[in-house]
Amino acid sequence: DAGVIQSPRHEVTEMGQEVTLRCKPISGHNSLFWYRQTMMRGLELLIYFNNNVPIDDSGMPEDRFSAKMPNASFSTLKIQPSEPRDSAVYFCASSPSGAYNEQFFGPGTRLTVL
Amino acid sequence: SQQGEEDPQALSIQEGENATMNCSYKTSINNLQWYRQNSGRGLVHLILIRSNEREKHSGRLRVTLDTSKKSSSLLITASRAADTASYFCATDSSGGSYIPTFGRGTSLIVHP
Repeated sequence: DAGVIQSPRHEVTEMGQEVTLRCKPISGHNSLFWYRQTMMRGLELLIYFNNNVPIDDSGMPEDRFSAKMPNASFSTLKIQPSEPRDSAVYFCASSPSGAYNEQFFGPGTRLTVL
Repeated sequence: SQQGEEDPQALSIQEGENATMNCSYKTSINNLQWYRQNSGRGLVHLILIRSNEREKHSGRLRVTLDTSKKSSSLLITASRAADTASYFCATDSSGGSYIPTFGRGTSLIVHP
């Protein structure tokens, strides 16, 4: 299995631009998580999907952030408009069943907003 | 919200020595997990220990859980340079969300 796949691996954009991060979870996994990691705030959970349905989005910072999971094999995290404080590494993780099981992380997308 | 806190924040040792990291949390848990993160990579799951377990082993790793003290420790025996990484604990909350939340991590450097 290829593991969790994220694209792009690196993204550099200018303030105000729309950014879309993509994730393909491991086949057969029911749960998907989006995290943001910064030196200041550590690893923060943004949103959690179970069976393609958003279960907990309380970590989404503000309305500029949105996430979708149109099917079991694909999810997107969109930031519109982007701001310099959104610069971080964004991780997607998937889990076989339920939030309390082992999570498998993707390699992350390093986002820089100028 | 429930969040494990690792201690120490940073640890520097020589190859062959043992490394011990601790995690403390505030409320009752169902499970506690340890993850490793190499620089520039995603997190990798190491061990999951359930609230009714006291100790688990995996290769050179030993995890203990003391629910009365709300703490866990991760011991890496006979450390290697390749163990250099950040180590995170993730805790859920038995009285609330099952979603694990991560601490800030312990940065371990093993000198060859």
